[in-house]
Amino acid sequence: KAGVTQTPRYLIKTRGQQVTLSCSPISGHRSVSWYQQTPGQGLQFLFEYFSETQRNKGNFPGRFSGRQFSNSRSEMNVSTLELGDSALYLCASSLELAGVADTQYFGPGTRLTVL
Amino acid sequence: GQQVMQIPQYQHVQEGEDFTTYCNSSTTLSNIQWYKQRPGGHPVFLIQLVKSGEVKKQKRLTFQFGEAKKNSSLHITATQTTDVGTYFCAGPSNTGKLIFGQGTTLQVKP
Repeated sequence: KAGVTQTPRYLIKTRGQQVTLSCSPISGHRSVSWYQQTPGQGLQFLFEYFSETQRNKGNFPGRFSGRQFSNSRSEMNVSTLELGDSALYLCASSLELAGVADTQYFGPGTRLTVL
Repeated sequence: GQQVMQIPQYQHVQEGEDFTTYCNSSTTLSNIQWYKQRPGGHPVFLIQLVKSGEVKKQKRLTFQFGEAKKNSSLHITATQTTDVGTYFCAGPSNTGKLIFGQGTTLQVKP
């Protein structure tokens, strides 16, 4: 099976702009989670979508939003970009058969740089 | 809120030395998962432990889940340069999302 894919891989934006990142999960996986990774901050959970519904949300401002489509593909959007939003954004998919946090399969990430 | 903590944050070892990273949760976990992220890469699932006191081995890696299911450890015997990376533990929260520890970054000097 193909792994999790994320587009674009690299992105450079300026402050105040908005950005949309895309994630295609492994075929058959219905859960998609998004994480922000910055040096020294580990993996910060943004949100999780399951069957087109946001099931969990992390402690990020409302500028960060996401959605999931009927084919399980997901997008996240960041509006009014700030310098501190520069990070690696990772998407992960999982089967979620039992409704419990299952093994996460990560994509390669999108490296966002805000100038 | 629920927290998962890892120590140490960084570890430098000489090739051939052993390495251990420890993971502690503020609450009892139904399972604990371990991931490895190579420099420039993304986290990759290593293993999941479910039972109290469970021990699993993958070649030179030994994973343990504590009796109280609140702590775990990863031990690498005779490290190699291919072991370089950041090791994360993660446990499910009561809402179902995975909570990751801050990770332990391992550097191996050849």
